[in-house]
Amino acid sequence: AQSVTQLGSHVSVSEGALVLLRCNYSSSVPPYLFWYVQYPNQGLQLLLKYTTGATLVKGINGFEAEFKKSETSFHLTKPSAHMSDAAEYFCAVSDGWGGGNKLTFGTGTQLKVEL
Amino acid sequence: GAGVSQSPSNKVTEKGKDVELRCDPISGHTALYWYRQSLGQGLEFLIYFQGNSAPDKSGLPSDRFSAERTGGSVSTLTIQRTQQEDSAVYLCASSLAANVLTFGAGSRLTVL
Repeated sequence: AQSVTQLGSHVSVSEGALVLLRCNYSSSVPPYLFWYVQYPNQGLQLLLKYTTGATLVKGINGFEAEFKKSETSFHLTKPSAHMSDAAEYFCAVSDGWGGGNKLTFGTGTQLKVEL
Repeated sequence: GAGVSQSPSNKVTEKGKDVELRCDPISGHTALYWYRQSLGQGLEFLIYFQGNSAPDKSGLPSDRFSAERTGGSVSTLTIQRTQQEDSAVYLCASSLAANVLTFGAGSRLTVL
């Protein structure tokens, strides 16, 4: 069975500071990893994904994440936070790529950006 | 349509009543998912439809929950004899490229 652990249900950073949201996964097979973002009163949208190949993946709005197999991690980072980044972020894992492979989500991390 | 559409956006019901939540996926998307989002619980997988295959119902929390997908398009999630613990936001998502989900805005269910 696959699972995702997001450390820190709430993270607060100052505008312009580094954003680091942590995600660790458990999977019995090579995982496919995702970050989704949910802005207030909106549906979730894909931020970035890792399937195969380059372990550093770039997403929208300046976010990136690095797949580290040895640490079973897929942390999300952004060099400089903006007020518009305030949202809830969900890490997700799938044990396959294709039909029949559902996503398992973490419990989410609420990011607050302060002036 | 342009996106995944869910209705109603908000539903308040009394304990013991049945509710139906509807999802219109993006046209042409073969996969459709239902998730439940509760405060502090993340997204809980409920059920998954892929084309004409038998749905994956492994996430349905009890036999009060059921879902169907008609004509490979619209899906309805039905909760019978609602309980207060059923209060949550129910999210629908559809997918063409497997694993890349497009979510609707959700249906917020409140059971009094």
